Amino acid sequence: DADVTQTPRNRITKTGKRIMLECSQTKGHDRMYWYRQDPGLGLRLIYYSFDVKDINKGEISDGYSVSRQAQAKFSLSLESAIPNQTALYFCATSDFYGTGKGPGRTDTQYFGPGTRLTVL
Amino acid sequence: RKEVEQDPGPFNVPEGATVAFNCTYSNSASQSFFWYRQDCRKEPKLLMSVYSSGNEDGRFTAQLNRASQYISLLIRDSKLSDSATYLCVVKDDRGSTLGRLYFGRGTQLTVWP
Repeated sequence: DADVTQTPRNRITKTGKRIMLECSQTKGHDRMYWYRQDPGLGLRLIYYSFDVKDINKGEISDGYSVSRQAQAKFSLSLESAIPNQTALYFCATSDFYGTGKGPGRTDTQYFGPGTRLTVL
Repeated sequence: RKEVEQDPGPFNVPEGATVAFNCTYSNSASQSFFWYRQDCRKEPKLLMSVYSSGNEDGRFTAQLNRASQYISLLIRDSKLSDSATYLCVVKDDRGSTLGRLYFGRGTQLTVWP
């Protein structure tokens, strides 16, 4: 079974609709992230959460909200979807081992398979 | 100015070729650097971390030049399976946003037979 799962994998919706994308992880990581990816723009951070009580805005949070229901679950909502929110959305998790540097310290982010969202 | 800049390519090389990608980063305080690989329509996955002394993993070599604030990835003896987009990634080591990763737009590589 995948360590990071996202539902749905594909979604087509209409302008103005409320959409929720869900992410679950079994890695036991405290940190979770939501990114969107657009052609030519790369990955951009929407929101991130360093633990259940911590939510932070990323680069492009306008039009989005998140909820960290538990350590393992982090959902992204589009309150009123618009066409320029059509993109590939990725959830990611990471663990963080102190502030040591160099080999042996890991900040690897593990990504879910992505949700392809189309807003008509 | 973006935190991480990289040439989007595409790079088209024959099997067996050596190819190198560079990227530059803007935050001189950054301490952690990575290369991720992303196959078409798939999620990014960590390829390798980049350490100050440079590091090698099989056919892949990563280098860091702190003075010039650039990171490189060298792929030797390219394989068809190396075709992917390579993402240069810099970790934010500053206090309030400690732990965030900044992704470059990616460099597309196609290896042809």
